[in-house]
Amino acid sequence: ILNVEQSPQSLHVQEGDSTNFTCSFPSSNFYALHWYRWETAKSPEALFVMTLNGDEKKKGRISATLNTKEGYSYLYIKGSQPEDSATYLCAPPSRRALTFGSGTRLQVQP
Amino acid sequence: NAGVTQTPKFRVLKTGQSMTLLCAQDMNHEYMYWYRQDPGMGLRLIHYSVGEGTTAKGEVPDGYNVSRLKKQNFLLGLESAAPSQTSVYFCASRDRDGYSYEQYFGPGTRLTVT
Repeated sequence: ILNVEQSPQSLHVQEGDSTNFTCSFPSSNFYALHWYRWETAKSPEALFVMTLNGDEKKKGRISATLNTKEGYSYLYIKGSQPEDSATYLCAPPSRRALTFGSGTRLQVQP
Repeated sequence: NAGVTQTPKFRVLKTGQSMTLLCAQDMNHEYMYWYRQDPGMGLRLIHYSVGEGTTAKGEVPDGYNVSRLKKQNFLLGLESAAPSQTSVYFCASRDRDGYSYEQYFGPGTRLTVT
């Protein structure tokens, strides 16, 4: 079982603030890193799949970077909006499944 | 195209009762997964399947059994429910082998064992 850590556990920001959070994972035998967005009462949905060291992915106001050598990824949200409120999960593959971190719960206050 | 569906959406069981959760996907995906979600613990893998007729244990398999008799369906069984199995259960599927293929999740089943 991979050790995947996400920090912080939760975050409260004001609308318009920019924010970022971290996913740490084992740097040995790296294959990929998945980010998922999980809104309350809904199902997790894939945001990004990152495979290369130095990768940067962007979707609207959300972007992610990847450092496979040191085993971390950052997720950034620029100008947070209330609709960004969700839990953000990262997950490296392990064997034929994903090992999910416990997530960062983001709440954006209007 | 319904994606991944789960039946039932909610269920209350008494300790010792049995039940089966059904997951169905219409995307012709090879891989299917069952997770449980508990507060502060994210998603933990119970069992998974890499194709019709195959199953494998995940991180927390004890107390659960699974079957994949048809490619589109993945069943999760609880033979003798315990209060520790109170959780939200999510099914997911993925197209094929490969580390960059994303998983698609169902809407979840909320199970309470009293």
